[in-house]
Amino acid sequence: KQEVTQIPAALSVPEGENLVLNCSFTDSAIYNLQWFRQDPGKGLTSLLLIQSSQREQTSGRLNASLDKSSGRSTLYIAASQPGDSATYLCAVKGSGGSYIPTFGRGTSLIVHP
Amino acid sequence: GAGVSQSPRYKVAKRGQDVALRCDPISGHVSLFWYQQALGQGPEFLTYFQNEAQLDKSGLPSDRFFAERPEGSVSTLKIQRTQQEDSAVYLCASSAAGSGGKTNEKLFFGSGTQLSVL
Repeated sequence: KQEVTQIPAALSVPEGENLVLNCSFTDSAIYNLQWFRQDPGKGLTSLLLIQSSQREQTSGRLNASLDKSSGRSTLYIAASQPGDSATYLCAVKGSGGSYIPTFGRGTSLIVHP
Repeated sequence: GAGVSQSPRYKVAKRGQDVALRCDPISGHVSLFWYQQALGQGPEFLTYFQNEAQLDKSGLPSDRFFAERPEGSVSTLKIQRTQQEDSAVYLCASSAAGSGGKTNEKLFFGSGTQLSVL
């Protein structure tokens, strides 16, 4: 069974810092990996999706990388802003039978002015 | 519709009551997922529909949980004889393609229904 771990569980940083959020998974037979943002009391918003054949995806100040063989993905946030404060979740879609996305517990990020 | 819509937004139930949670996916989306999210946890998979077919219900925690999508659009998650451990946020997500999930389509989530069982 796929297990997804996100480190750190929580992070508090001053505005302007560059951040790295980590996601690791136990089964490297994946179809894709997706990063989401969740604001308090809200649903999830998709940020980036990396297919298994890709190494990274970029959108604005966000860059996500994927190293399938080592079971790792990182989400890099450049020049963080208070509006980036949210919980960030990664979801791994396996390719070994079940194509259901499995989520980590998320990293709770606070960016203070 | 513009996005995935879920109702009610909040539901308080007395232990033992039955509840029904509704999900209205993005128009034309083939795939529909239900997830359960406990406080401070990531979403846990409950069930998956491709059109009206329920292809995977392996995540439903007990036979008190039942989901349907009779016309391949709106879906309802029903919980019978609610228990306190059912208290959670229930999230619905949809995506454009089906193929049993073998796609690289993004998932779009609703805002969820927060269920509190007293």
